[in-house]
This record gives sequence, C-alpha cells and structure tokens, in this order.
Amino acid sequence: DIQMTQSPSSLSASVGDRVTITCRASQGVTNDLSWYQQKPGRAPKRLIYAISSLQSGVPSRFSGSGSGTEFTLTITSLQREDIATYYCLQHHNYPLTFGQGTRLEIK
Amino acid sequence: EEQLVESGGGLVQPGGSLRLSCAASGFTFAKFWMYWVRQGPGKGLEWISQINIDGSDTTYAESVKGRFTISRDNAENTLYLQMNSLRVEDTAVYYCTRGTMGFDPWGQGTLVTVSS
Repeated sequence: DIQMTQSPSSLSASVGDRVTITCRASQGVTNDLSWYQQKPGRAPKRLIYAISSLQSGVPSRFSGSGSGTEFTLTITSLQREDIATYYCLQHHNYPLTFGQGTRLEIK
Repeated sequence: EEQLVESGGGLVQPGGSLRLSCAASGFTFAKFWMYWVRQGPGKGLEWISQINIDGSDTTYAESVKGRFTISRDNAENTLYLQMNSLRVEDTAVYYCTRGTMGFDPWGQGTLVTVSS
C-alpha cells in the first residue's frame, strides 16, 4: 500500500499569510495526486488535481506543486473562509489512500 | 449541475445489513467509474470501494472486503453499496463520488451508525 504522510497535522495562521501543506508518498504516484478541502459538516471538495491543475471555480490563491513522492498545497493569501481540513489523495495504486488531514485554523 | 445524492443510511445493530444508494444527475453516469468513501466520527477519509463503467470490475478495501458489495444501474443512474455483517467500526458518513483525476463531485453523505 502507498502511505501518504501529510504535514503538519494542524496549523494556525493569520489572514493574509502564505500557508503550505505537504504530502509525502511512500512510493512514486506519477501525477495521480489531488487535494481536497473539507469544511465542518460538509462533504469534501476537490481543489487541485493532477498535482497542479486548479479545479474550476476554486480561487487562484490555491496552488499545487511537486513531483515523484513529495507534493505541496499552497494558499498564497489566507482568507477566513479557508478554515477547513485539507487532505491529499493518491489514486495511482489500490488501495487509494488519503493523507491523514491538516486542520487549518485562523489565529 | 452535476449532482450526487446518497440515501439509505440509518441505525443498525452489529451483524445487520444496510443498502446505500447514490442517485446521479447532470452528467452521463454510464461513462464514469464510481467510488464510495467513508469518514468515521472525528476521523479522516477512507476509500472503500470502486466500480468500473459497466460493473464488471470492482475493488474493495481490506476493511470491507467480503462484507460489502458495490453495484450500479446505469439505466437508473444509481450507484449502490450493499453492506452486510456490519460492525461498530463501520459507523461513518458514507460518500459516493465520481472518479475523474481523483474524486469530483461528491455527494452530501449519508450517516450509518452501527450500535446495539
């Protein structure tokens, strides 16, 4: 199984800050890596697919990067509405696996 | 608008069964692989099953293999998850989702509670 190690597990930042979340895969996943935002009590929503492609309708302050086994989700200017838990997902091999999540809070 | 709507969740005793449904609309359901993902209370996301476009190929997580069965009715634009021999640890919100470079869109989820 491919393990997805996400860091940090929680993060507190101020409005306007640049925020970076990292996901490390235990083996290469090519470009089969996507990122999701989940607000409390809501279903997850895809932000990024294929490492760096922005989902339609998602603000451009969200971006993805990386290759091989290390991937990053960046929020360039944090907004209050970005309070959520963020997950990475590899869909390269079965079982498909998510990172354990990063809970983002506003200072 | 592309939409997925789950139903069928509820309270069931350990060892019991439940069948979840997911109604799709706004896209050509028969052209896409479909998935079930669950989230236990206060926990992260767990992929549990997938099905190909005509239902001939299915895959399961080890945690549900042999107990859960995924199926689909392309004429009715509906995905199903038959859950048998339910355990307390199966308590979760169950989401259906479409496979397209990851998962999008997602349904709103349906809560399954396994408790005596």
